[in-house]
Amino acid sequence: AQKITQTQPGMFVQEKEAVTLDCTYDTSDPSYGLFWYKQPSSGEMIFLIYQGSYDQQNATEGRYSLNFQKARKSANLVISASQLGDSAMYFCAMRDSGGSNYKLTFGKGTLLTVNP
Amino acid sequence: DGGITQSPKYLFRKEGQNVTLSCEQNLNHDAMYWYRQDPGQGLRLIYYSQIVNDFQKGDIAEGYSVSREKKESFPLTVTSAQKNPTAFYLCASSMIRGRIYGYTFGSGTRLTVV
Repeated sequence: AQKITQTQPGMFVQEKEAVTLDCTYDTSDPSYGLFWYKQPSSGEMIFLIYQGSYDQQNATEGRYSLNFQKARKSANLVISASQLGDSAMYFCAMRDSGGSNYKLTFGKGTLLTVNP
Repeated sequence: DGGITQSPKYLFRKEGQNVTLSCEQNLNHDAMYWYRQDPGQGLRLIYYSQIVNDFQKGDIAEGYSVSREKKESFPLTVTSAQKNPTAFYLCASSMIRGRIYGYTFGSGTRLTVV
């Protein structure tokens, strides 16, 4: 069974600094995809970044980058130059190709607070 | 603009009542999903559907029911059999072919039992 672990219930960062949110995963499937979502206090889920298991390079999207270490089964999200608007819950999620390959399994999330 | 619409935003249910949460998408996505979110928890899958008139149970389907009579619509009924229904419910949709860049989510329905 798939499993996603986010070990940091909460994180604090100063505005304009970088922060790394941890995510480890467990799957026996060689083909899988990893996602990060942001959930502000309003509740909506905002897609941030995607990494496929066969992608050769780490994914980047603006200030977001994914530090993908396949051998360690980790997919940490790095947010550079933090802004006050980055304060939110962040969820790591995974899809593998076994069975229903479009179903996502989510971690429990990390609450990020950006301090001015 | 394309997207997913969930309604209502807030819903109050009395003990023993069934309530239905609406989810409509105009993205022409094949698959639709219902997730439940409790405080301090991640999202847990209730039901999902790949095609019209077909749906599958997720990890926590007990006490819930769904239908998929149209591609655009995937309503969720929270029945009286669900003993602890107070939670935040999120609907999502996605394509099921090709590279997937993630789900599109609705804005959620917050259900409270009174």
